[in-house]
Amino acid sequence: QKEVEQDPGPLSVPEGAIVSLNCTYSNSAFQYFMWYRQYSRKGPELLMYTYSSGNKEDGRFTAQVDKSSKYISLFIRDSQPSDSATYLCAMSAGFGNEKLTFGTGTRLTIIP
Amino acid sequence: GAVVSQHPSRVICKSGTSVKIECRSLDFQATTMFWYRQFPKQSLMLMATSNEGSKATYEQGVEKDKFLINHASLTLSTLTVTSAHPEDSSFYICSAEDRGSYGYTFGSGTRLTVV
Repeated sequence: QKEVEQDPGPLSVPEGAIVSLNCTYSNSAFQYFMWYRQYSRKGPELLMYTYSSGNKEDGRFTAQVDKSSKYISLFIRDSQPSDSATYLCAMSAGFGNEKLTFGTGTRLTIIP
Repeated sequence: GAVVSQHPSRVICKSGTSVKIECRSLDFQATTMFWYRQFPKQSLMLMATSNEGSKATYEQGVEKDKFLINHASLTLSTLTVTSAHPEDSSFYICSAEDRGSYGYTFGSGTRLTVV
């Protein structure tokens, strides 16, 4: 079993829809949770960073962490064609140069 | 925000030659940088952790003699793929953490093609 599981998709939704992306994990030591967006042939770009359980909102993006269920989510509201990318969840046990464990990534396409 | 510059973005080399990829932190000091490899439609695979002034730590299964890492300063880490072969063709990405902000910043990646 992988430490981090993420549905690879692909996921296609119409423009304006709410998108829900999810990851589950097995390592209870993970404390820091991140979502990255990666466009084709580019490096990942940090979208959201969350510590421990709870919600965090930034514009159209909301990250949720439920440590009791070992489940994290990223919601995208009012999705735009420019949101079409691969979304990677990542997590680490510590802060400060701790290596990240990534999900496999979900390919998302927003249809105009 | 923190910026990590990676060069070159794309390189084609002949089998048997060596290729060097540079990763620079532009506006912060990075005592640690990470090197990843990514195959098409797959996630990032950590290859090694590069520590300034000391030897890199390689993940299991990564040949340290083939993938040479040097982290000679607080802003520069290099990955050299030695005696490259077609199976080394991949997308290589570096990352570093700016202690002044949260999360890790990634370079734009280097697409290596060995012919």
